[in-house]
Amino acid sequence: SSELTQDPAVSVALGQTVRITCQGDSLRYYYASWYQQKPGQAPVLVIYDEKNRPSGIPDRFSGSTSGHTASLTITGAQAEDEADYYCSSRDSSGNLFVFGPGTEVTVL
Amino acid sequence: EVQLVESGGGLVQPGGSLRLSCAASGFTSSTYWMSWVRQAPGKGLEWVASIKQDGSEKYYVDSVKGRFTISRDNAKKSLYLQMNSLRAEDSAVYYCARVDTMLRGVIIVRYFDYWGQGTQVAVSS
Repeated sequence: SSELTQDPAVSVALGQTVRITCQGDSLRYYYASWYQQKPGQAPVLVIYDEKNRPSGIPDRFSGSTSGHTASLTITGAQAEDEADYYCSSRDSSGNLFVFGPGTEVTVL
Repeated sequence: EVQLVESGGGLVQPGGSLRLSCAASGFTSSTYWMSWVRQAPGKGLEWVASIKQDGSEKYYVDSVKGRFTISRDNAKKSLYLQMNSLRAEDSAVYYCARVDTMLRGVIIVRYFDYWGQGTQVAVSS
């Protein structure tokens, strides 16, 4: 299967840690990337190649993979981290891309 | 500074056509795969199509195969999406995205590192 699954929504207290997961068979073969999207804005890459952060992304964002599950962890969540987060990978053929359904993160 | 600017969206009747454009600047666009990603109102992201640097390889999501065509003009630093036989379910914001590639061991890693602001497509009678 080329589908990726994510929890629809999670909440985190300000300054606490939240983990967002993404599951799919393709994650056994292809590394996940993660995108942050705030209302009315274009997505922004926050993690690529499983655990690398683009320049300008705070180090409170980290990524990891175990088996067919990729995770995005925000350590010390800030109010500005409230957004939708999407994981993405390639399908089993390697030629197509898939996105997870997204996780809405609320910072309380 | 990398910039991707989409244009060409609008309101079109079911069965109609639209051509989206994406103007790239701030990088050598001919050295990157490029993609279109869409987002229906209130929904998640959906990858639509990708094209290789020289246009020799093109890939599509099943729902648009035979109706949409991705192309590029490297001399004009532009990416296009020709959309025919449009349906209501094609209504979405369409984003142009640059695909960065790296090698991790023997695995080719690809991800969308820059995105445009999107152009709105509405299919309705």
